[in-house]
Amino acid sequence: ETGVTQSPTHLIKTRGQQVTLRCSSQSGHNTVSWYQQALGQGPQFIFQYYREEENGRGNFPPRFSGLQFPNYSSELNVNALELDDSALYLCASSGNGGSADTQYFGPGTRLTVL
Amino acid sequence: AQSVTQLGSHVSVSEGALVLLRCNYSSSVPPYLFWYVQYPNQGLQLLLKYTSAATLVKGINGFEAEFKKSETSFHLTKPSAHMSDAAEYFCAVSELGYSTLTFGKGTMLLVSP
Repeated sequence: ETGVTQSPTHLIKTRGQQVTLRCSSQSGHNTVSWYQQALGQGPQFIFQYYREEENGRGNFPPRFSGLQFPNYSSELNVNALELDDSALYLCASSGNGGSADTQYFGPGTRLTVL
Repeated sequence: AQSVTQLGSHVSVSEGALVLLRCNYSSSVPPYLFWYVQYPNQGLQLLLKYTSAATLVKGINGFEAEFKKSETSFHLTKPSAHMSDAAEYFCAVSELGYSTLTFGKGTMLLVSP
């Protein structure tokens, strides 16, 4: 059973640029959630996708957007990057999006904005 | 809105000593509660979760946690710390009907020989 994978591992961008992060969900999972973890903080929920539809969104501006594909992999896109977007971005997959479901996390993508 | 408070950003113990990491939640309804561990430069790994079955939950690596509704707490314990337990620990909550997780700020566990 393949776990959650994310790419790239590290990324360096400059302010104003756009970035796309990718996530492959665990086999059999149809729900993907994205979290932002700033240095020294707990992860914060960005949004969730369930069967290719957005299924909830945290307190993040519209320049954070996402997609989920038919194979349940997902992308996180961030436009007009700001310095505060520097963080570890975590993707998590779960079986059906239920509140008691375990979310399985990938290793994350470390984004640095200069 | 639900929230999670983890008391102590750092906890230091000696190898073989009891580990106690504190977590209190604020939720209008009985929540589901989770403890995750994060090793350096890695993602989060589930240690254990409470989903309204037994109030004492046993997890991996010898950890356990007890749900106490009257104290709105879900503290994580391990009888005897091992060097390999050194990591950051996150308590998280989700509410019925919402599958998203709200995390605490984390507690770094330091284990000395």
